[in-house]
This record gives sequence, structure tokens and C-alpha cells, in this order.
Amino acid sequence: DAKTTQPNSMESNEEEPVHLPCNHSTISGTDYIHWYRQLPSQGPEYVIHGLTSNVNNRMASLAIAEDRKSSTLILHRATLRDAAVYYCILRDPRGSQGNLIFGKGTKLSVKP
Amino acid sequence: ETGVTQSPTHLIKTRGQQVTLRCSSQSGHNTVSWYQQALGQGPQFIFQYYREEENGRGNFPPRFSGLQFPNYSSELNVNALELDDSALYLCASSPGVAGGEQYFGPGTRLTVT
Repeated sequence: DAKTTQPNSMESNEEEPVHLPCNHSTISGTDYIHWYRQLPSQGPEYVIHGLTSNVNNRMASLAIAEDRKSSTLILHRATLRDAAVYYCILRDPRGSQGNLIFGKGTKLSVKP
Repeated sequence: ETGVTQSPTHLIKTRGQQVTLRCSSQSGHNTVSWYQQALGQGPQFIFQYYREEENGRGNFPPRFSGLQFPNYSSELNVNALELDDSALYLCASSPGVAGGEQYFGPGTRLTVT
């Protein structure tokens, strides 16, 4: 699985949008971009994933660059509950092992 | 639908002892993966079980071993505990081995003294 680069930390104000960046310049054509988040004292939680097109779900939106070398997780209105560590992970579904390779992620703080 | 559960929640052991951690997978999921998360780090893959067979292993020594049962629940066993084994141990289940979403339990906090 290719490597991703994320900022160590970011801050946001409550009810404002948050854009969490991820660089993955060595992404292969078959890698999907996955995002997980980990709230304090909990296990990681799936957020969203995509391949080429932008994706939306009830939690967030995923914007993928045209060259796929970077992506951005968008939280449209941050709440205090969104304070967590966000992990950007590349996964090739052809792989026989389904393990996730986590980096250090981005710690998001949300101010009231 | 019951999510992934793990037991115990917390555990304190002495160096050299052995420990067994347990995980019940989400209903309908036949694959369980185990991760170790040291303080301030992202989770690190230990191994994965698919239909009761080991289906991949990370960079962990043989004293880390596991089992998966016919109901797809799983155990992680660690022998000869070392101080560096102190960590949060996470279990994740999924409906298959490749590419899909993984559902994590809350973890077991292991402290080795």
C-alpha cells in the first residue's frame, strides 16, 4: 500500500467547514482512498472512501484531485463531536490481505 | 445488529506473563483483523483471520498468536509479555478480506508492568 502524508494537527471552529488534506503522490491506479477517524477512547470509525470521483455521504465529502495525487476530506459543519484523529489510507482491493496501514493522521480540534 | 465487542476493557499484567484478549465480530462478518496501537501512534496491523485461518500477518513476533472460532469470534494471545507490549489492542471485523470497510471495536487497554 502506498504512503500518505497528512498535517499533524488542525483547528476549526464549531459550525464552520473543515478541509482535511492528504497527499498520496505514489498512488497506483487501483488504490482506493479511504478515510477513518478515531474519537478519543474509541476504535477507528470508517468515514468515506473513493477511487476517482468525488464522493458524498451523511458524514462527509471526499474531493479527489484529477491526478489522484491528493485528496481532501470535507466536514461541512464541524461539531464538537468531530474532534478526532483523521486517517487517510490507500487500499488496493485486489490484495489478499485486508489490513489497513495507518499513519499518524491529523488531529482535529474543534473550538466552540 | 450488534457491533464489534472486545473483552476485557482494561488489563494489567506483569512482564513475562501471558494474556488472552477476545473479540466478537459483527453479525455476518467472517474476517477479523487485530491491531496494536501505542500511545500517540496509529494502529499497527498484527494479523488477520478469515474463516478460521490466518490470512496475513504484520511485523510482529511469533509470541503474538491468534485463533478464530466457527462463529467468527477471535482471540489474540501474547506470550512472554514485554513492557513495550503495553498498548491499546483493537479488533476489526469485515464481511470479506479485500478492500471493504472495517468495523472496529472499542479496544482492550493492556498495561504491562
